[in-house]
Amino acid sequence: DQQVKQNSPSLSVQEGRISILNCDYTNSMFDYFLWYKKYPAEGPTFLISISSIKDKNEDGRFTVFLNKSAKHLSLHIVPSQPGDSAVYFCAASASKGGSEKLVFGKGTKLTVNP
Amino acid sequence: DAGVIQSPRHEVTEMGQEVTLRCKPISGHNSLFWYRQTMMRGLELLIYFNNNVPIDDSGMPEDRFSAKMPNASFSTLKIQPSEPRDSAVYFCASSLQGGFTEAFFGQGTRLTVV
Repeated sequence: DQQVKQNSPSLSVQEGRISILNCDYTNSMFDYFLWYKKYPAEGPTFLISISSIKDKNEDGRFTVFLNKSAKHLSLHIVPSQPGDSAVYFCAASASKGGSEKLVFGKGTKLTVNP
Repeated sequence: DAGVIQSPRHEVTEMGQEVTLRCKPISGHNSLFWYRQTMMRGLELLIYFNNNVPIDDSGMPEDRFSAKMPNASFSTLKIQPSEPRDSAVYFCASSLQGGFTEAFFGQGTRLTVV
């Protein structure tokens, strides 16, 4: 049972345009959400996060939006750059109850074309 | 800090052999995670430890898999006997316990069982 779903395996955008990556979750106990970026032959690296008390968090070109009622979050990258080409993973955790394990989606491969 | 260190980076072994993957977490981190990445299932959590104690091993696929964390600076994931379907990239990650914290990943071990 996939608790974190990324329904788009891939996304292709032009340099300078906006990239929007989507993520849905099913577990209402999740209260902390993260995005990771992964290049080939490397481990995932943390990109940006948001807690459930917020609906938006911004860091430079990256913004994460959280819609708790829809159990949906998205990552916006603007403007997109060729170096952003990577696999992006959405992850979630439930901080209460003593369990901090991170549950990941399957990832979305972003290609930014020059 | 050098980050999370995994060894070996690559492992090729014959079916039926024992395989041991190693991980050194970031000093001071008290949560450690083992993940497996495959095309079909994305990043799956196999097991995680808090303060060297296994908290959730529900993701361990079979009894052939075992993990230990004898101290705060070392963990192993063992597969015995290995099978071709175990071929995947195995990641170790560590984080500060307490929720609302990101996990830092190692570079992974690419395991090929022939």
